[in-house]
Amino acid sequence: GAGVSQSPSNKVTEKGKDVELRCDPISGHTALYWYRQSLGQGLEFLIYFQGNSAPDKSGLPSDRFSAERTGGSVSTLTIQRTQQEDSAVYLCASNIAGGPAGELFFGEGSRLTVL
Amino acid sequence: TQLLEQSPQFLSIQEGENLTVYCNSSSVFSSLQWYRQEPGEGPVLLVTVVTGGEVKKLKRLTFQFGDARKDSSLHITAAQTGDTGLYLCAGANTGGFKTIFGAGTRLFVKA
Repeated sequence: GAGVSQSPSNKVTEKGKDVELRCDPISGHTALYWYRQSLGQGLEFLIYFQGNSAPDKSGLPSDRFSAERTGGSVSTLTIQRTQQEDSAVYLCASNIAGGPAGELFFGEGSRLTVL
Repeated sequence: TQLLEQSPQFLSIQEGENLTVYCNSSSVFSSLQWYRQEPGEGPVLLVTVVTGGEVKKLKRLTFQFGDARKDSSLHITAAQTGDTGLYLCAGANTGGFKTIFGAGTRLFVKA
């Protein structure tokens, strides 16, 4: 697609439920990133994919968080047994392998509210 | 752990004024980026600086990378209401993948 697409744009869930957030990166971008942005805060790195593999998962806040990427394209971030502190905007970004480090193209984010 | 500190955290000015925001770190970065984020949207890349001492201009915006590649500044001349937004600096290292973001400077330009 022309840009990074994320869905849903807004998700309200009850504490304890599982949620899935989806990211469709720019076509041809092999690198994909998930960040979390809490209200008024900067971006917290969660996980990075190069192709389908994730070299570093240490940014995931807890074992309730997982992410996968299939076919080198779409990625899903899953949060199990959601907690109120999981409420945030989850941003996905992509860039082309070998492109300038740090030059990321972001989606509009998925705003998660856990009641 | 590499950290980026931005100052000020919040800035409210009148249209036509000049302003400078800062991004500082104790770590060296291969490159540093500035992004602008508007409510309900993702950050949008404004510029990348890679050489110590480098200065880049983008219309009324001037970006500078410190000589030691640990800090950067963004200067806006004659601010306009359309400049309102969250300005984020980010640092990256060649061959690395973890781009580190500062907490941002929230700019509000009043008409």
